[in-house]
Amino acid sequence: AQKVTQAQTEISVVEKEDVTLDCVYETRDTTYYLFWYKQPPSGELVFLIRRNSFDEQNEISGRYSWNFQKSTSSFNFTITASQVVDSAVYFCALMSLKLTFGKGTLLTVNP
Amino acid sequence: EPEVTQTPSHQVTQMGQEVILRCVPISNHLYFYWYRQILGQKVEFLVSFYNNEISEKSEIFDDQFSVERPDGSNFTLKIRSTKLEDSAMYFCASDGDSSYEQYFGPGTRLTVT
Repeated sequence: AQKVTQAQTEISVVEKEDVTLDCVYETRDTTYYLFWYKQPPSGELVFLIRRNSFDEQNEISGRYSWNFQKSTSSFNFTITASQVVDSAVYFCALMSLKLTFGKGTLLTVNP
Repeated sequence: EPEVTQTPSHQVTQMGQEVILRCVPISNHLYFYWYRQILGQKVEFLVSFYNNEISEKSEIFDDQFSVERPDGSNFTLKIRSTKLEDSAMYFCASDGDSSYEQYFGPGTRLTVT
């Protein structure tokens, strides 16, 4: 069975602070993919990143960075110098045969 | 940039009625999915569809649900007899080559009264 745990239900920060969203996953599969999606208040799901289980290289894209550690089954997401527009629910997801989402973390960035 | 579209954006229906939610996946994509998100909760997988048949479905996807690709462009989700607990946002997604980069539509909000 697959499981994704996002222990942080809500996080509130002040603009320009760095923030890390945690994601821990469980799977018995050796080949799988990990994702992060952003869901702004408008409701759509915005794809942020995909990582396969064989690629543990960390990735940086602008203010976003991701830390994949297979040894701890974690795929954490850091936003550097947060902005108000980053306010959203962020979902971590695991794909093997199907996409399993975590419960999401509501990030609020205050001005 | 190509995108997945869904209609309607909001559907209100009475309990017991049938509803059909429509999706137009990205044109050269081959893998199609439906997900639902009850308000304030996580996104849940319903079903995946490839080569004109269901390839995977969740326990949520019972006999009340069906999917169809009636022509080369539409992908539909039918709920035969809606229940109050079917009220949710329904997302369609498509994937070009099983690379697992699923593109999501904007969702249809279904309200069952």
